[in-house]
Amino acid sequence: DIEMTQSPSSLSASVGDRVTITCRASQSIRNYLNWYQQKPGKAPNLLIWTTSNLQSGVPSKFSGSGSETDFTLTISGLQPEDSATYYCQQSYTVPITFGQGTRLEIK
Amino acid sequence: EVQLVESGGGLVQPGESLRLSCTASGFTFSNYWMQWVRQAPGKGLVWVSRLNDVGSTTNYADSVKGRFTISRDNAKNTVYLQMNSLTDEDTGVYYCGRGCFSNSGGCVGLWGQGTLVTVSS
Repeated sequence: DIEMTQSPSSLSASVGDRVTITCRASQSIRNYLNWYQQKPGKAPNLLIWTTSNLQSGVPSKFSGSGSETDFTLTISGLQPEDSATYYCQQSYTVPITFGQGTRLEIK
Repeated sequence: EVQLVESGGGLVQPGESLRLSCTASGFTFSNYWMQWVRQAPGKGLVWVSRLNDVGSTTNYADSVKGRFTISRDNAKNTVYLQMNSLTDEDTGVYYCGRGCFSNSGGCVGLWGQGTLVTVSS
C-alpha cells in the first residue's frame, strides 16, 4: 500500500497568514493527489484534484503543487472559516489512501 | 439538488451484519463510480471500497475484504455496502462519495452526510 504522510500534524496561524501543508507519498503517485477540507461534524469537501486543479466553487486562496512523491497545499489570506482538518489522498492505485490529516487552527 | 443521502447505520453487536444505503439525486448516477470512506471517532479518513459505474469492477481495503460487499442499483440511484462479521474496529461514520467526474474512480467530488455505525456488545 502507498503510505501518505502529512506534515505538520497540526499548526496554528493568524488571520491573513499564508500556510503550507506538505504531503509525501511512499512511492511515486505521478500527479494523482487530491486535497480535502473537513470541518468538525461535517463531511469532507474536495478542494484540489490531481495535484493542482481547483474544484469548482473553491476559493482561489487554495492552491496545490507537486509531483511524483512530494506535494503541497497552500492556503493564503487565512480567515477564521479556514479552521479545519486537511487531508491529502492518493488516487493513483488501490487501495486508495489518505494522509493522517493536518489540523489548522486560526489564532 | 445534487446530493447523496446515506442510511442504515446503527448499533450492532460484534459478529453481526448491517447494510448501508446511499441514494443519489440531482445527477446521472449511472455515469459515476461510487465509493465508501469511513472515519472512526476522532480519527482520520479511511478508504473502504469503490465500484465502477456499471457495477462490474469493485475494490476493497484489505481490512474489509471478504467481509464487506459494495453493490449498486442504477435504476434506484442507490449504492450499498453490505457489512458482515462486524468488529469494534468497524465503528465509525461511513460516508458515501461520488467520483469527481464521469468514469473517474479516484477523487471524491460529492460526499454524503455520513451514517454512524457502532459495533459494541
